[in-house]
Amino acid sequence: DAEITQSPRHKITETGRQVTLACHQTWNHNNMFWYRQDLGHGLRLIHYSYGVQDTNKGEVSDGYSVSRSNTEDLPLTLESAASSQTSVYFCASSEGETQYFGPGTRLLVL
Amino acid sequence: GESVGLHLPTLSVQEGDNSIINCAYSNSASDYFIWYKQESGKGPQFIIDIRSNMDKRQGQRVTVLLNKTVKHLSLQIAATQPGDSAVYFCAETRGYQKVTFGTGTKLQVIP
Repeated sequence: DAEITQSPRHKITETGRQVTLACHQTWNHNNMFWYRQDLGHGLRLIHYSYGVQDTNKGEVSDGYSVSRSNTEDLPLTLESAASSQTSVYFCASSEGETQYFGPGTRLLVL
Repeated sequence: GESVGLHLPTLSVQEGDNSIINCAYSNSASDYFIWYKQESGKGPQFIIDIRSNMDKRQGQRVTVLLNKTVKHLSLQIAATQPGDSAVYFCAETRGYQKVTFGTGTKLQVIP
């Protein structure tokens, strides 16, 4: 069955370190998204991609970057982790308007 | 996980009763709406969707109602079961790059 996976599921890192969160989908979807989920907020869009070599900034993109070298993967990099980036991160993919989400990565920045 | 459900509005429902979860959306130009279910420690899961040219759509045990006049969306769950316990949130879209998610309602099913 097609699916979307994220790794790691849990990560603890220190302020200033570079961190990369992986997202892999086997739906063959062109569109992929990264969100963060925090108390008191809905899912907030970090970055998104409509296809290979395409990346776009979302509403909370500062401090994050993505790259899309193939259809299946959209890794999210925190260039220099900050405590404000402690959150649960979700990757999603879609072909149309409905997005399908991965299981999430819980990141703690100390 | 559990931290997502803290501080959210909570609806407590007896097992077997019907549940109604409400959502107010913000943009009258939104043309597509989705309800998601998020269980503890998991990612959001698609439940049902509706387009703005419809008022009602039914799925298996779930019904979504759309009132465009007051920008209101509701999710009705029939014969609520313990497995329905989760956070439910709506999403409004204006094309797939313009998706806004609500903060959610926590549904607690009392056995």
